Amino acid sequence: AQRVTQPEKLLSVFKGAPVELKCNYSYSGSPELFWYVQYSRQRLQLLLRHISRESIKGFTADLNKGETSFHLKKPFAQEEDSAMYYCALAIYNQGGKLIFGQGTELSVKP
Amino acid sequence: DAGVIQSPRHEVTEMGQEVTLRCKPISGHDYLFWYRQTMMRGLELLIYFNNNVPIDDSGMPEDRFSAKMPNASFSTLKIQPSEPRDSAVYFCASTLDLNTEAFFGQGTRLTVV
Repeated sequence: AQRVTQPEKLLSVFKGAPVELKCNYSYSGSPELFWYVQYSRQRLQLLLRHISRESIKGFTADLNKGETSFHLKKPFAQEEDSAMYYCALAIYNQGGKLIFGQGTELSVKP
Repeated sequence: DAGVIQSPRHEVTEMGQEVTLRCKPISGHDYLFWYRQTMMRGLELLIYFNNNVPIDDSGMPEDRFSAKMPNASFSTLKIQPSEPRDSAVYFCASTLDLNTEAFFGQGTRLTVV
């Protein structure tokens, strides 16, 4: 079954500390993975996607097919990074769909 | 384009009442998704449409939930009768294709008392 798992509901770090938000997926096909972010009182928005291999706001994510993971990393967390982060998987067979993990709340303390 | 527009932003209703949530996707987008967000379960996909046709409604929790997309610019999610456990934020999202960015509405916060 297709599934996205984010094992941590809450991740709390201090400003300047490295942060890693974990995401694992289950999908037999070729995955298309994304990270979305939801800042307080704002709508969800795309943060980055694995095929573009870009760094947005200092965040990067590498697709590891062997470990079926797509962890989100940032070397030095900032207070403005505090938000909900959702990992998402796009599936193309059987009509296709876009499914999300349960989300991780990142709290960056001063 | 003003983005994905959802209405109402907030809805408070009594148990047993019918609730209708509305969504206007971005013009030209072929896919429309309805999600439910709760603290316990995060973002759950309820149903999605491709070119106005429902493709997968396996996430719809019960027969009390129904969704329609009568045309490319409008979709509704209806709950009848509503129950307190339906209280959540309901998001609508649209995308041009599955490998492009999905644009979300601001959500409808539903409270059933």
